[in-house]
Amino acid sequence: GEDVEQSLFLSVREGDSSVINCTYTDSSSTYLYWYKQEPGAGLQLLTYIFSNMDMKQDQRLTVLLNKKDKHLSLRIADTQTGDSAIYFCAEGARWGGADGLTFGKGTHLIIQP
Amino acid sequence: GAVVSQHPSWVICKSGTSVKIECRSLDFQATTMFWYRQFPKQSLMLMATSNEGSKATYEQGVEKDKFLINHASLTLSTLTVTSAHPEDSSFYICSASSRSGLAETSTDTQYFGPGTRLTVL
Repeated sequence: GEDVEQSLFLSVREGDSSVINCTYTDSSSTYLYWYKQEPGAGLQLLTYIFSNMDMKQDQRLTVLLNKKDKHLSLRIADTQTGDSAIYFCAEGARWGGADGLTFGKGTHLIIQP
Repeated sequence: GAVVSQHPSWVICKSGTSVKIECRSLDFQATTMFWYRQFPKQSLMLMATSNEGSKATYEQGVEKDKFLINHASLTLSTLTVTSAHPEDSSFYICSASSRSGLAETSTDTQYFGPGTRLTVL
C-alpha cells in the first residue's frame, strides 16, 4: 500500500532554518500537504503543493517537491519557538475534501534557544 | 477558520463496553467526515469516510460492525467503538470537509478535530 516516511525528530536553533523531509511511494499522489499539530489542538493545514509544481513559497514556508524521487520537503525560515510542534506530511489523490489522506508519522520539531 | 470539535477529549472504559465519540463541525456544514486512528509514534490511519445521509465507507481491515459510524446531520458524525478491548486503545481523530473535491478553494479542505484519547482497561 501507499507509504509516507518522515524522520521522527528535528532539533534546530532559534533563528535558523528548519528543513523537514518526507518521502512517499504512491505515484498517483496529486496533492501533498504539510500539517502542523500542537498539543491539544487539531491538525492545522500549513501548506500544500500540487504534483505538477516544483516549489511553493508562502511567507516563511517553502515547499520543494521532487516528483521523480517522490521527495517532499518543508523549509521554515527563521524558526521561532512558536514553530515547535509535530509536522505531518500527507498525500492524497484528489484535493483535500474528497478523500482521506495518507499521513507520515510526523516529525517533532524541537527549538533550541 | 473552520473549527471541528470532538467530545470527549479523553475516555477510559472497561473492556467489553461501548464508547461513543462525537465529531462536530462548529461553523460550517460538513458533507464529508473522516475518521482516523493514531497509535503512539505511528501515523494517522484512515478508518472510514462518511458522507451525510449515507453509509460510511470503511478502509480495508477496519471492522464496520465494531466501529459504527453515523453521520446523520451536516454538523455531526459519531464513532461508536462497540465491545471495546485494550487493543482498541488509541487516539481517534476526525476531520470534516464541506466540498467534494471538485474545486481547489480555501474552503475545500479537511479540518481536523483535536482528537479523542481512548483507553480500554
